[in-house]
Amino acid sequence: EIVMTQSPATLSVSPGERATLSCRASQSVRSNLAWYQQKPGQAPRLLIYGASTRATGIPARFSGSGSGTEFTLTISSLQSEDFAVYYCQQYNNWPGTFGQGTKVEIK
Amino acid sequence: EVQLVESGGGLVQPGGSLRLSCAASGFTVSSNFMNWVRQAPGKGLEWVSVLYSDGSTYYADSVKGRFTISRDNSKNTLFLQMNSLRAEDTAVYYCARDSGGTCLYDYWGQGTLVTVSS
Repeated sequence: EIVMTQSPATLSVSPGERATLSCRASQSVRSNLAWYQQKPGQAPRLLIYGASTRATGIPARFSGSGSGTEFTLTISSLQSEDFAVYYCQQYNNWPGTFGQGTKVEIK
Repeated sequence: EVQLVESGGGLVQPGGSLRLSCAASGFTVSSNFMNWVRQAPGKGLEWVSVLYSDGSTYYADSVKGRFTISRDNSKNTLFLQMNSLRAEDTAVYYCARDSGGTCLYDYWGQGTLVTVSS
């Protein structure tokens, strides 16, 4: 099973600032990496797939990069609605595995 | 508009059973790869089971032999029959659509809470 490791566990950021989240895979997942956003009491929402492609309706301030084992999600200018938990997921190997999440909180 | 609405969660004693439902609208359940993913309190996401469009089913080792995934095409609804429940099955259960068979989940329901406790 591919293990996904996210860092940091918690990221404190002020509104308007840039946030950079990291995700590492225990072996190569090529570009088969997705990011999901989850707000309290809500279902996860697909943000990014293919490591860098935004899902339908996702604002341009969200961007993804990386391939192989190292990936990054960047939120260029944090809005109030962006404070949430973010999960990465590899879907290169069945059945797909998730990281433990990074909580982005208001500084 | 694609929507997934789960129901059927609740409090059940260890060893008991529960049946979850996921009513879909805006697409056809039988034409997609439909999954159950769970999230224990304060924890991350764990894939539980998938039902392929061809009817094949697969399960996580932690639930194999105890859970059964199925669908009712006439009702466009996905189910998860959960038997021999354990405390460690306590979680919010989400149904999620994988439209491409790649384990990439493009739509999720709002979830239903299952609590296994005496």
